[in-house]
Amino acid sequence: DQQVKQNSPSLSVQEGRISILNCDYTNSMFDYFLWYKKYPAEGPTFLISISSIKDKNEDGRFTVFLNKSAKHLSLHIVPSQPGDSAVYFCAARPQNDYKLSFGAGTTVTVRA
Amino acid sequence: GAGVSQTPSNKVTEKGKYVELRCDPISGHTALYWYRQSLGQGPEFLIYFQGTGAADDSGLPNDRFFAVRPEGSVSTLKIQRTERGDSAVYLCASSPSRGGDYGYTFGSGTRLTVV
Repeated sequence: DQQVKQNSPSLSVQEGRISILNCDYTNSMFDYFLWYKKYPAEGPTFLISISSIKDKNEDGRFTVFLNKSAKHLSLHIVPSQPGDSAVYFCAARPQNDYKLSFGAGTTVTVRA
Repeated sequence: GAGVSQTPSNKVTEKGKYVELRCDPISGHTALYWYRQSLGQGPEFLIYFQGTGAADDSGLPNDRFFAVRPEGSVSTLKIQRTERGDSAVYLCASSPSRGGDYGYTFGSGTRLTVV
């Protein structure tokens, strides 16, 4: 049963524009959310996270928004750069837990 | 080491054979996790170690899968009587303590192909 869903398998965006990646979850016990970035033949690397007590967290060009009532989060990348081309995974875990539930990933391609 | 090291990076084995996948976590990280990523899916939890003990093996799909971490550092994931459905990328991760606010540090994975 997929508790974290990324419904867009791919996204193509022009360099300099905004990339918006979406993620939905079903488990109301989730209270910590993370985004990972993965290049081919490498493991996922942590990008940004957000706790359920916040609705926004920003780190440079990356901002994550959380809408708890809708069980939805999004990752905004602005401006998009060619090096951002990768697979992005949304992940979530309950409070004080260690097990991450991942979405299937969104492949982002940034066009020059 | 500087990162999580996994060996081999690729493994091709015949159906029915036994395989071992190795993970060398970041030095000092007490928590170690194994995940499996099948084609087109996100990583799925297999097992979690805190120190030497398997604190949670609820994600192991069946009794053909077993993992050890005898000295609280290097871990080995063992798969007996491999099946074609076991083909996936097996990811190991470690963290300084359980969970952590910044998630885990993943290795590059071992791509297992069962033919």
